Amino acid sequence: NAGVTQTPKFQVLKTGQSMTLQCAQDMNHEYMSWYRQDPGMGLRLIHYSVGAGITDQGEVPNGYNVSRSTTEDFPLRLLSAAPSQTSVYFCASHKMGAAGELFFGEGSRLTVL
Amino acid sequence: GQQVMQIPQYQHVQEGEDFTTYCNSSTTLSNIQWYKQRPGGHPVFLIQLVKSGEVKKQKRLTFQFGEAKKNSSLHITATQTTDVGTYFCAAFSGTYKYIFGTGTRLKVLA
Repeated sequence: NAGVTQTPKFQVLKTGQSMTLQCAQDMNHEYMSWYRQDPGMGLRLIHYSVGAGITDQGEVPNGYNVSRSTTEDFPLRLLSAAPSQTSVYFCASHKMGAAGELFFGEGSRLTVL
Repeated sequence: GQQVMQIPQYQHVQEGEDFTTYCNSSTTLSNIQWYKQRPGGHPVFLIQLVKSGEVKKQKRLTFQFGEAKKNSSLHITATQTTDVGTYFCAAFSGTYKYIFGTGTRLKVLA
C-alpha cells in the first residue's frame, strides 16, 4: 500500500501566488487532516474532514481552503500565499471509529518569498 | 480552545541516560497518543492510551496516562542513538480534532 501520498515534496512560491498541495490515501480512511509544522510550534491543525463533503476548521485555518469530494483526496489550497505560510505541511488520515493512529504523509516543504 | 503543553522543549542526554517528556492538557481527554519524528521525517505513531492511570511499555519506552486524564508522560530508559528525534503527544478530545503538543526534541550524545 502507498499509504498517504503528498505532492509536491518541495515548492517555492512568490507572495500572492496560489497553489494546491495534494494529499491522497488508499486506505479507505474517512478522517483526513492537514497540519503545518514550524520550528518550536509543533504540529498545528489547519483543516480536517470526517468524510466526503464534510470539512471543518482546525487551530490555524486562515489563508487555507480545503474540499473533500472523494474519500481518497483532500487537497489544501493557498489562494494568495504569504511569507508567514512558509512551513512544512503534513497530511494525515485515520479510520473513523477505530480511535487509532494517524498515518502521515512524508510532508511538503513550502517556501513563500 | 484546547491547549496541549509539552516539556521540555529540548533535551540532550548522554547515551545510556534516561529521558522523560511530559504532556499536559487544559481539558480532560478521551485518549492521548504519542508519536516520534526522526530528523527530516514524518511523525510515526508509537502508542495510544485510553484509560485513566494507564501504563504501557514498549521495550525501553514507558507511557503513562494521568488519573485525571489531563496529563501523560513518556519515559525512555537507557537511551540509545536510535532514540534521536522529536517526540509529540497528541490529544484527542472527542471532537474529531487531534491537537499536538509542541514536541520534545531529544539528542543523544554517544
